[in-house]
Amino acid sequence: RKEVEQDPGPFNVPEGATVAFNCTYSNSASQSFFWYRQDCRKEPKLLMSVYSSGNEDGRFTAQLNRASQYISLLIRDSKLSDSATYLCVVSPILTGGGNKLTFGTGTQLKVEL
Amino acid sequence: DAGVIQSPRHEVTEMGQEVTLRCKPISGHDYLFWYRQTMMRGLELLIYFNNNVPIDDSGMPEDRFSAKMPNASFSTLKIQPSEPRDSAVYFCASSSGQGKSRTEAFFGQGTRLTVV
Repeated sequence: RKEVEQDPGPFNVPEGATVAFNCTYSNSASQSFFWYRQDCRKEPKLLMSVYSSGNEDGRFTAQLNRASQYISLLIRDSKLSDSATYLCVVSPILTGGGNKLTFGTGTQLKVEL
Repeated sequence: DAGVIQSPRHEVTEMGQEVTLRCKPISGHDYLFWYRQTMMRGLELLIYFNNNVPIDDSGMPEDRFSAKMPNASFSTLKIQPSEPRDSAVYFCASSSGQGKSRTEAFFGQGTRLTVV
């Protein structure tokens, strides 16, 4: 079983739709959680951190359920430019700070006109 | 800042040849990570360094792979001899610990390796 599991998709949605991605992780020692975004043939980039209380950044909302080891990402009013692969990421906290990231295989989103 | 710089961007080599991938992390970052990405397995951590010292190389697939970080501004990942199954995109990333629980990892543009 992979340490971080995601539905690979693709999710094909019309512009303006709301779409939700889910992810589960198996290592209960994981302490930090993130969503990264990767455009086709590009490097991954941080989209947002995920906090236990839930957090929002514009059209994006992330939730964490530690008891169920479950992470979610909600995108409202989706734009064509949101088309990308969304990577669920977990990490311990390293000695001295910092993270060693373990990535899910990603969920592909395609936003269409 | 120029970000994480990797070279070459593309590499095509014949099976059995030695391949060396290079990375220059962001200045001041104390962590450096090497990842490999394939369609089948996604992004896998190969090895990471803290203050130029290798900390965890458990992701290195076999002895054909080796990595070094001779100073804070340069790291290499070497494959010798290379095999077709090593074909993948290899990413280098750097981050700054600073005692924080959440730090952003900045990735280079990757090296697309094809072994024929």
